Amino acid sequence: AQKVTQAQTEISVVEKEDVTLDCVYETRDTTYYLFWYKQPPSGELVFLIRRNSFDEQNEISGRYSWNFQKSTSSFNFTITASQVVDSAVYFCALSDDFGNEKLTFGTGTRLTIIP
Amino acid sequence: ETGVTQSPTHLIKTRGQQVTLRCSSQSGHNTVSWYQQALGQGPQFIFQYYREEENGRGNFPPRFSGLQFPNYSSELNVNALELDDSALYLCASSELAGGETQYFGPGTRLLVL
Repeated sequence: AQKVTQAQTEISVVEKEDVTLDCVYETRDTTYYLFWYKQPPSGELVFLIRRNSFDEQNEISGRYSWNFQKSTSSFNFTITASQVVDSAVYFCALSDDFGNEKLTFGTGTRLTIIP
Repeated sequence: ETGVTQSPTHLIKTRGQQVTLRCSSQSGHNTVSWYQQALGQGPQFIFQYYREEENGRGNFPPRFSGLQFPNYSSELNVNALELDDSALYLCASSELAGGETQYFGPGTRLLVL
């Protein structure tokens, strides 16, 4: 069975600080995909990144960066120079590669950026 | 915006009633997945439809059922509503190719009294 753990329930940081959101996953599949989604108060899940299990390169997109470490089954997300607009709930999710797009989500981390 | 739309945005029902939620997929996507998100929780997979056929189901009872239409839009039906069915219902569209990104709609907030 697949499982995603986001141990940090809530994080608060002051604007312009860097913050890292942790994600640890469990799967028996050799091929799998990892995702991060942002959920602002409006409720819609906004896609941030997709990473497959064969690509362990870290990725940077503007102020966002992701650290994928297969050895520790972790896929952490860092926001550099945080802004108030980054305040949201962030979800890490996992899917398999068997033609079923089922996503297994973590319980989310609520990030609050204090002005 | 993702191009995925859902209706209605909010709904209030009483226990025992039936409800139908609707989802319109992003153009070009042939797969729709439905998720239930209880307050303070991550979304839970209900089921997925691919070309009008169910293609996977999560741990939800049979009173949760769905349909997908030839234009790939979809419905989620819930019979005999229970209080615990109160949640945000999200649909997501994608192309069925293994690990493809799912794009979510804004959700329908259902309150069961």
